[in-house]
Amino acid sequence: DQQVKQNSPSLSVQEGRISILNCDYTNSMFDYFLWYKKYPAEGPTFLISISSIKDKNEDGRFTVFLNKSAKHLSLHIVPSQPGDSAVYFCAAKISGSARQLTFGSGTQLTVLP
Amino acid sequence: DVKVTQSSRYLVKRTGEKVFLECVQDMDHENMFWYRQDPGLGLRLIYFSYDVKMKEKGDIPEGYSVSREKKERFSLILESASTNQTSMYLCASSLSGMGEAFFGQGTRLTVV
Repeated sequence: DQQVKQNSPSLSVQEGRISILNCDYTNSMFDYFLWYKKYPAEGPTFLISISSIKDKNEDGRFTVFLNKSAKHLSLHIVPSQPGDSAVYFCAAKISGSARQLTFGSGTQLTVLP
Repeated sequence: DVKVTQSSRYLVKRTGEKVFLECVQDMDHENMFWYRQDPGLGLRLIYFSYDVKMKEKGDIPEGYSVSREKKERFSLILESASTNQTSMYLCASSLSGMGEAFFGQGTRLTVV
C-alpha cells in the first residue's frame, strides 16, 4: 500500500517554461514533506521541504505547495533549465518518528533545450 | 560539508554469497537508514537504526540484516544474495527529530 504516490513517471518541459511535479499522500499523520532530486548513479539530494503548518514554501526557482485537505503537494520549478533534468522524489514523514521518510516512486523530469 | 560515504559504487556478486555493504557518516547523526531503489518503485526502506546497536525493520527487511556497532557506521548484510536483490542501495543519515536525510552516492549491486 503506497502511502506516497507520484502518478506521473515522466514529464517533459521546454527550457524556460514551468515544471509542475505532483505528489499525493494517504496517511493523514504525515506532517512534514520534502522533495529530493536524483541524478543517475548518484544519491538523492535534498531540494526543498514544507511543514504542514504552511501551504507554501519558496526557495529561488523552486516552490512547494501543500494542500492538506486534498492530501496533495506539488513542486513548481520556474524557469526550468536543462540541468534540472533528473528524477524527483516526493517524501513524507511524521515529526518525532525515527522511521524517517516514506518516498514516492519518482518522476523523471526532462527539460528540453 | 556533510558526508555519507558508501564503501563501493559498483558490486557484482554471485547467488548465495554473503554480501556486506558499508556506510559511514561524519555528521554525528543518530539515525541511519538503508533504502533500495528500483525503477517504478521509488526508494523503499529496508532497515533503520536510531542509536548504536539499535535497529528497526523497514518495509522490506526479508533477506537482509544490519549491524551498527559504532555511531558513524551502519552495515547492510545480504545473508545469501539472490538475483532479486539486484538493485541500487542507498544509505542515509539524519539528526533525531529533523526532517532532512542526507544520502550517500549509492551502491549498484548486481547478483548473477
